[in-house]
Amino acid sequence: SAVISQKPSRDICQRGTSLTIQCQVDSQVTMMFWYRQQPGQSLTLIATANQGSEATYESGFVIDKFPISRPNLTFSTLTVSNMSPEDSSIYLCSMGGGSTQYFGPGTRLTVL
Amino acid sequence: DQQVKQNSPSLSVQEGRISILNCDYTNSMFDYFLWYKKYPAEGPTFLISISSIKDKNEDGRFTVFLNKSAKHLSLHIVPSQPGDSAVYFCAASAGFGNEKLTFGTGTRLTIIP
Repeated sequence: SAVISQKPSRDICQRGTSLTIQCQVDSQVTMMFWYRQQPGQSLTLIATANQGSEATYESGFVIDKFPISRPNLTFSTLTVSNMSPEDSSIYLCSMGGGSTQYFGPGTRLTVL
Repeated sequence: DQQVKQNSPSLSVQEGRISILNCDYTNSMFDYFLWYKKYPAEGPTFLISISSIKDKNEDGRFTVFLNKSAKHLSLHIVPSQPGDSAVYFCAASAGFGNEKLTFGTGTRLTIIP
């Protein structure tokens, strides 16, 4: 299985600020994914990040709020911009194909 | 529009018995179905998957069954162990070229010693 790391593992942020979450994988992958798990909810896909192209966002998520970078085949960042308490969630990156997808440990974000 | 549903939010099973977790889906374009186990404050751990061309896949104590006509899948864990206590999510993807996962709402499994 793949090794995926995320930084930070958790953070507490003030309303109106931004946080950038880093995701590093131990092998080169074409597609990486960013998900969110709000408290008590399931996982929801935010966007798909392909190296060398703009990220593809799911309905309800926009680039201005969740800008994503994908500078190479092993790394991606997700920024949560202008945060509000509703952004308090676990943010997860993942990689993989149709039958197998692996997740990072997650970043637990609390917005006050 | 909940395309993947887990209708049982919780399940309690005696240690050593079989745990059966169920999942229903509505989108006939789904090609792969995956099961994950999740502890609080951790990322989901991949357990097992099944392709839509199969009706059963086994890996150790875990077996997944797929009934395409009923759009239903189930995960069997036997024998159940205390370490299996966690939240289990089923997820589906439309296969290669469209690997994004749609998750169910999760089932909290508690194994009673």
